[in-house]
Amino acid sequence: QSALTQPASVSGSPGQSITISCTGTSSDVGNYNLVSWYQQHPGKAPKLIIYEVTKRPSGVSDRFSGSKSGNTASLTISGLQAEDEADFYCCSYAGSGTYWVFGGGTKLTVL
Amino acid sequence: EVQLVESGGGLVKPGGSLRLSCAASGFTFTNAWMSWVRQAPGKGLEWVGHIKSKTYGGTTIYAAPVKGRFTISRDESKNTLYLQMDSLKTEDTAVYYCTTDRRTTVTTPGDNWGQGTLVTVSS
Repeated sequence: QSALTQPASVSGSPGQSITISCTGTSSDVGNYNLVSWYQQHPGKAPKLIIYEVTKRPSGVSDRFSGSKSGNTASLTISGLQAEDEADFYCCSYAGSGTYWVFGGGTKLTVL
Repeated sequence: EVQLVESGGGLVKPGGSLRLSCAASGFTFTNAWMSWVRQAPGKGLEWVGHIKSKTYGGTTIYAAPVKGRFTISRDESKNTLYLQMDSLKTEDTAVYYCTTDRRTTVTTPGDNWGQGTLVTVSS
């Protein structure tokens, strides 16, 4: 069982917006602004799309945005496109001893 | 362009050892903090461990499931990161990815990723 809880799947139609949640505890998500999100297409390596809750690496579309409230972080994808279909993982720092924990992943289907 | 190329994966029996390598190019390896992340077949991502740059003492930290069995090291002369895996268990079966850490005032694993190398632990 993963340390962070994500929905197994979400779906949306092209042009719509979707949000993926990532629920942790006061020991990880709720205690540090160190949540990151990764996109993984089938058979490919993951790609960092959000770090430090809200920041985007250069080259990542501004359709991807991150936020956090309490022990839950969220990834929002606006203007869904077919190429967004992938698995998405959240990750949070959890303090010394545990360090970094991932969510179980969410499969995004673009209908 | 950042390139990370892992090698050394394969089939190993439980209790055995394996050493993975990650050849780095396209960035200043000496200054980089690096992580290993693994993914069991059909499963999610799991952070394995991390090594700071030599400037910061080359300190290593490990996830609980691998602590005491896995060792991360680096060779600046070869621009190469290593993961020595001992006392392997069947649950260590996974694709192992080498990644750079993104560093600001804090650090985030998984800024750049290699293509991964598959380790299978089975009798």
